[in-house]
Amino acid sequence: DAGITQSPRYKITETGRQVTLMCHQTWSHSYMFWYRQDLGHGLRLIYYSAAADITDKGEVPDGYVVSRSKTENFPLTLESATRSQTSVYFCASRTLNQNTEAFFGQGTRLTVV
Amino acid sequence: GQSLEQPSEVTAVEGAIVQINCTYQTSGFYGLSWYQQHDGGAPTFLSYNALDGLEETGRFSSFLSRSDSYGYLLLQELQMKDSASYFCAAYYNTDKLIFGTGTRLQVFP
Repeated sequence: DAGITQSPRYKITETGRQVTLMCHQTWSHSYMFWYRQDLGHGLRLIYYSAAADITDKGEVPDGYVVSRSKTENFPLTLESATRSQTSVYFCASRTLNQNTEAFFGQGTRLTVV
Repeated sequence: GQSLEQPSEVTAVEGAIVQINCTYQTSGFYGLSWYQQHDGGAPTFLSYNALDGLEETGRFSSFLSRSDSYGYLLLQELQMKDSASYFCAAYYNTDKLIFGTGTRLQVFP
């Protein structure tokens, strides 16, 4: 199906483990974004990418790693998960044109115990 | 930094008009968007202002004043289904999309 999909939808992991959240879009959008959403903080930008092999830090990049070897995929890896990374993670994509909307995936609820 | 400020909560009754304000940092600012998010859902796009002035889309309108570093979302003829969180989001340096802290709107009958 066309769109932007995230997997898994729910994940429970232990402190110190490596976790990868997947994001896939079928529109060939240039830009992709990763946000985390916590109560009281709104959506905070973790990393973003303007094209394949181009990534840049957002507001809260520490503890996260991204890659973008293909336009359609933008995985987010927590190298050593901490309890403070318990959150809802949203992936988004948009075209080059700023006037267009960013489309969001349904989110991944991650719990670090 | 690049931060956006919004009121945390707004309440209104059905049929009323409500305005949600947003102030932003000007350094590198390109344009202002608005998104709606229902509980448990993903944010969805409402509008985008690149230039000063009012953009109207049905019951929703959005306004931008670059000289005041300020924008607002105006919701008219409020309906119960408009109860949601509303976020302003700014593009900085053409590509970085930064969200405000969000405003929770509660519409009462």
